Amino acid sequence: AQSVTQLGSHVSVSEGALVLLRCNYSSSVPPYLFWYVQYPNQGLQLLLKYTSAATLVKGINGFEAEFKKSETSFHLTKPSAHMSDAAEYFCAVRDSGNTPLVFGKGTRLSVIA
Amino acid sequence: GAVVSQHPSWVICKSGTSVKIECRSLDFQATTMFWYRQFPKQSLMLMATSNEGSKATYEQGVEKDKFLINHASLTLSTLTVTSAHPEDSSFYICSAPRTSSETQYFGPGTRLLVL
Repeated sequence: AQSVTQLGSHVSVSEGALVLLRCNYSSSVPPYLFWYVQYPNQGLQLLLKYTSAATLVKGINGFEAEFKKSETSFHLTKPSAHMSDAAEYFCAVRDSGNTPLVFGKGTRLSVIA
Repeated sequence: GAVVSQHPSWVICKSGTSVKIECRSLDFQATTMFWYRQFPKQSLMLMATSNEGSKATYEQGVEKDKFLINHASLTLSTLTVTSAHPEDSSFYICSAPRTSSETQYFGPGTRLLVL
């Protein structure tokens, strides 16, 4: 069975500082990996996805993530945090095909002015 | 723009009533849709997989007689919460995989409050 572990339920960074949100996955097959962002009282927005192409994936809003098979990790980074980045971030994994996503517990990002 | 819509976005109902939530894929056909539930400050939990033309597949612990799913067409799935109780209050989100892009698109969610 697939699973995702997000280390740290809450991360706080200063505006302009590096953002690092950690995600480790468990999968018996080559996974598809995703990062979604959720703003308060809203649905999910796809930030980026890994689908077995380039291991360094660039997404929207300046975010990127690197797939590291040896570490079973897919950490999300952004060089410089903006106040508007404050939100809940979810890492998710799935098999190929029409299979549902399995979500991590989420990490709440706070950005301090 | 949004490719998956949900209606309504907010619903408040009395305990014991039934509530229907619609999920539509706007510009693609979806033979499969997924329904998730999210409690406050928690992650999304898969409730069921909606299959066009056949019965839905429910996750363990989800009552199929309480959460009725109908995948009426290739662009519409509905979730009906029957005899709703306060503990059913939650944020319900649907998603539809767009196989051509290997991405699942999520609806904006429906917030249900049962009084």
